[in-house]
Amino acid sequence: GQQVMQIPQYQHVQEGEDFTTYCNSSTTLSNIQWYKQRPGGHPVFLIQLVKSGEVKKQKRLTFQFGEAKKNSSLHITATQTTDVGTYFCAGPSGNTPLVFGKGTRLSVIA
Amino acid sequence: GAGVSQTPSNKVTEKGKYVELRCDPISGHTALYWYRQSLGQGPEFLIYFQGTGAADDSGLPNDRFFAVRPEGSVSTLKIQRTERGDSAVYLCASSLDVAPYNEQFFGPGTRLTVL
Repeated sequence: GQQVMQIPQYQHVQEGEDFTTYCNSSTTLSNIQWYKQRPGGHPVFLIQLVKSGEVKKQKRLTFQFGEAKKNSSLHITATQTTDVGTYFCAGPSGNTPLVFGKGTRLSVIA
Repeated sequence: GAGVSQTPSNKVTEKGKYVELRCDPISGHTALYWYRQSLGQGPEFLIYFQGTGAADDSGLPNDRFFAVRPEGSVSTLKIQRTERGDSAVYLCASSLDVAPYNEQFFGPGTRLTVL
């Protein structure tokens, strides 16, 4: 079945630096969702991308969906300590609505 | 309004025992999902319900795991003859309708520890 792979697994940045995480699928996705999980918390929905080549922005966060709908990225500009957490991408696979990647854990050093 | 709630928040049991984990979804949400999350991993899909019926149970690891949602609201995940490898955080989520076109709202999870 479809798998979503995320890289990097970990990222440590200085506060104010940019951060990018990448998500790749073995198959074409109808859509992709991004979630954030704070340490000790539960996943919280950030955004959904549906269209080929789609780009969406939420303040300092920019989400992209690849033209072939097999990859996606999340870019954070000028990271803050509040950005700390694990970022997951997730996409459908067969009858399963969402299959999650392993996530990228972001640490921000003040 | 109230979010997804899960009880208990923590459960410690002994190997071989039976456990039940409960999930109360957001009112009006027809779809309900169960995931399992181990440390450092993403949520692993177990099963999801559309209404009362299990629409996809392909993620249940074996026949020791079973879930029900008899009235289309509250769901219970049941694990028989627990093993140490079952230790994880069990997450429940709900959505207005079946994803993938709907965001999922997650509960705080139940941390299961099998001694």
